[in-house]
Amino acid sequence: GESVGLHLPTLSVQEGDNSIINCAYSNSASDYFIWYKQESGKGPQFIIDIRSNMDKRQGQRVTVLLNKTVKHLSLQIAATQPGDSAVYFCAESGANSKLTFGKGITLSVRP
Amino acid sequence: DVKVTQSSRYLVKRTGEKVFLECVQDMDHENMFWYRQDPGLGLRLIYFSYDVKMKEKGDIPEGYSVSREKKERFSLILESASTNQTSMYLCASGGVNTGELFFGEGSRLTVL
Repeated sequence: GESVGLHLPTLSVQEGDNSIINCAYSNSASDYFIWYKQESGKGPQFIIDIRSNMDKRQGQRVTVLLNKTVKHLSLQIAATQPGDSAVYFCAESGANSKLTFGKGITLSVRP
Repeated sequence: DVKVTQSSRYLVKRTGEKVFLECVQDMDHENMFWYRQDPGLGLRLIYFSYDVKMKEKGDIPEGYSVSREKKERFSLILESASTNQTSMYLCASGGVNTGELFFGEGSRLTVL
């Protein structure tokens, strides 16, 4: 069946460094791959997505990379800030925008 | 400012009680979703709806039902709450052909 998984449950980075969060997926038929950020006490918030026919997309301080050969998705955050501390989820989108989420990884930014 | 509003942030219910969780969105989205979030398990889809009066089972529909009588409102119903339904419940809405969902702030349900 479908599964979206994250390689590590936690990631600790120094403020100002770049962060890389990785994710594996199994459903090659997904149209979109998406990253969400969830801060404590809030619902997940969309960060960035990438269509299945792309391999890279950049946003403000974030870049998403898609490697369909090895079914791997990554989120890169440049110059990580304390406000980036949160749980990050990767997700893949199927029919009717139905999303399957990974289990989440906690990003902790050290001052 | 776009918004998904969940009626209750915190609820405490007893085993066997009927529980209603309400969700309203103001973005005229076709698709609406109910997820539950548990530590170590991430977000799991309970039910979703892609149109008024339409519903589809997600990955864990057992013990739940839903209602979508109006486009902006999607309700999750626990007919007879059980302790294993203690969880954070998240409602989301989204348009068609997009991976971008808008989530509410969640409803934390405790079943005693």
